[in-house]
Amino acid sequence: VQLVESGGDLVQPGRSLRLSCAASGFTFHDYAMHWVRQTPGKGLEWVSGIIWNGGIMGYADSVKGRFTISRDNARNSLYLQMNSLTTEDTALYYCAKELSDWSHAFDIWGQGTMVTVS
Amino acid sequence: EIVLTQSPGTLSLSPGERATLSCRASQSVSSSSLAWYQQKPGQAPRLLIYGASYRATGIPDRFSGSGSGTDFTLTISRLEPEDFAVYYCQQYGRSPYTFGQGTKLEIK
Repeated sequence: VQLVESGGDLVQPGRSLRLSCAASGFTFHDYAMHWVRQTPGKGLEWVSGIIWNGGIMGYADSVKGRFTISRDNARNSLYLQMNSLTTEDTALYYCAKELSDWSHAFDIWGQGTMVTVS
Repeated sequence: EIVLTQSPGTLSLSPGERATLSCRASQSVSSSSLAWYQQKPGQAPRLLIYGASYRATGIPDRFSGSGSGTDFTLTISRLEPEDFAVYYCQQYGRSPYTFGQGTKLEIK
């Protein structure tokens, strides 16, 4: 069971970036998925989540209107489109899998992809 | 949004001792939708406890969770050297899902 994020980069404020998360080792379309970020040396912040059929579970207030979560079950992939980036979005971005359809805890995490806005 | 406040911020203990970490929610957490994670430097968080008291797969039984409503506790009965890390609580009962600010468990 593995999640591998990609797409992180150094970008200027106001620009856009798209993160990807490739899933393997489990039946991707059976699980809700999430993005969580962690600023250097600080704590964890939930960004957004998406259920198995593409329904959106919500966004953090800090990214609402700028970020869009999506998934492609045929490609076993999760995405995060990030627009109008600010320096406050600089963080390590993790994708995470939900434990089951009756527990929304995150049992599998990727190693993260770093986004630096400067 | 439900705000989670963890205490203490840092806990200094010795191997073999008992650790008690607290997580207090600003509103009641529905259906005990509370998880605990462990994070070591350079690693992703690892799920320890879900549903307030259920150990995740492969988690040693020295880790236990308890609580309901607004007050939750993670207890590590006898600390092993590998247990020194940062611990986060998370509520997933209501969007936006939120994390506590973390408790750093350090070797005394």
